[in-house]
Amino acid sequence: DQQVKQNSPSLSVQEGRISILNCDYTNSMFDYFLWYKKYPAEGPTFLISISSIKDKNEDGRFTVFLNKSAKHLSLHIVPSQPGDSAVYFCAATADASGTSYGKLTFGQGTILTVHP
Amino acid sequence: KAGVTQTPRYLIKTRGQQVTLSCSPISGHRSVSWYQQTPGQGLQFLFEYFSETQRNKGNFPGRFSGRQFSNSRSEMNVSTLELGDSALYLCASSPGGGETNVLTFGAGSRLTVL
Repeated sequence: DQQVKQNSPSLSVQEGRISILNCDYTNSMFDYFLWYKKYPAEGPTFLISISSIKDKNEDGRFTVFLNKSAKHLSLHIVPSQPGDSAVYFCAATADASGTSYGKLTFGQGTILTVHP
Repeated sequence: KAGVTQTPRYLIKTRGQQVTLSCSPISGHRSVSWYQQTPGQGLQFLFEYFSETQRNKGNFPGRFSGRQFSNSRSEMNVSTLELGDSALYLCASSPGGGETNVLTFGAGSRLTVL
């Protein structure tokens, strides 16, 4: 049972345009969400996160939006750069449960390719 | 500040053998988590240790075990290896306080079971 889903295995965008990566979740207990990006032969790198008490969080070119009623979050990258080409993972955790120590539930990832 | 260090980076074993992987967390981080990444199942949580105690465990068989030492370094062990254990094993650390779930990952140990 896949509790976090990234339905688009890949996304291709032109440099300078917006990249939108989507993620859906099913577990109502999830209250903290993170995005990681991964380059080949490296571990995932933390990008940005959002708590369920917010609906938006920005950090430079990266913005994450959370729609709790739809159990949907998205990552916007504006403007996209070739160096952003990587695999992007959405992850979720039930932080308030007090028992989620170290446990993130990951989506399957979306391969983003930004063309010059 | 040094990142999360995992050793070895690559290893090849045969079915039935056992393997031990090592992880050194970021200095000052007391929580260490382990994940398995495979093409079919994605990233899956194995277990988490804090102050030498396992606080959380994923849905893996008992062949997968771990431990943490007093300096927060951690090891995981897989006994009686199966072909399906071939994967990238990732270690992640966090301070262990309020930011527990913002994990910093190492580069991983790539295990191939023949």
